Amino acid sequence: NAGVTQTPKFQVLKTGQSMTLQCAQDMNHEYMSWYRQDPGMGLRLIHYSVGAGITDQGEVPNGYNVSRSTTEDFPLRLLSAAPSQTSVYFCASSYSGRSSGNTIYFGEGSWLTVV
Amino acid sequence: DQQVKQNSPSLSVQEGRISILNCDYTNSMFDYFLWYKKYPAEGPTFLISISSIKDKNEDGRFTVFLNKSAKHLSLHIVPSQPGDSAVYFCAASEANSKLTFGKGITLSVRP
Repeated sequence: NAGVTQTPKFQVLKTGQSMTLQCAQDMNHEYMSWYRQDPGMGLRLIHYSVGAGITDQGEVPNGYNVSRSTTEDFPLRLLSAAPSQTSVYFCASSYSGRSSGNTIYFGEGSWLTVV
Repeated sequence: DQQVKQNSPSLSVQEGRISILNCDYTNSMFDYFLWYKKYPAEGPTFLISISSIKDKNEDGRFTVFLNKSAKHLSLHIVPSQPGDSAVYFCAASEANSKLTFGKGITLSVRP
């Protein structure tokens, strides 16, 4: 049972480069989301999706794009990387967006450094 | 404006003793609270939760207490074990919606 799979695990980018963080889940979950974790900042929601074809912004969406063409995949795109986007990124999925009685599963994280 | 606050960045306790991790919140509309545990190089995993209609929820060695009037919740781990050493995130949601996380607290359990 793979759960939530993120790739790549580590990436170094130059300022201005673009890249996509991949996220896939095999649990047929409708709700998927991306968080970033920074020292002293906890987990902050970037974008989320309540189902295929539907996405919405979270707390810190600037500089990131997402799409949800299938239930399984939810890629996060950085169009022009900036040093402020150096962070650890976590993809998460759950059966629904409801928090009660609904376990959220996180991927193992993607460490991104922008130089 | 941080709505979920974990003011202590770290806690160190002796194996076998009680660990008490605290969390405060400012949004009175929060009605569901969760604790997540995170080991280095891994994603967070769900630990325990509590609804605002309760003041206590227990699961094995883990108990979460909620004091709505004080907007405060705490996670008690008894007895603490070295394997409990991790970062613990407090999270809250309003109307069963998106989660707001605290900054996390690093727990170290000394053998």
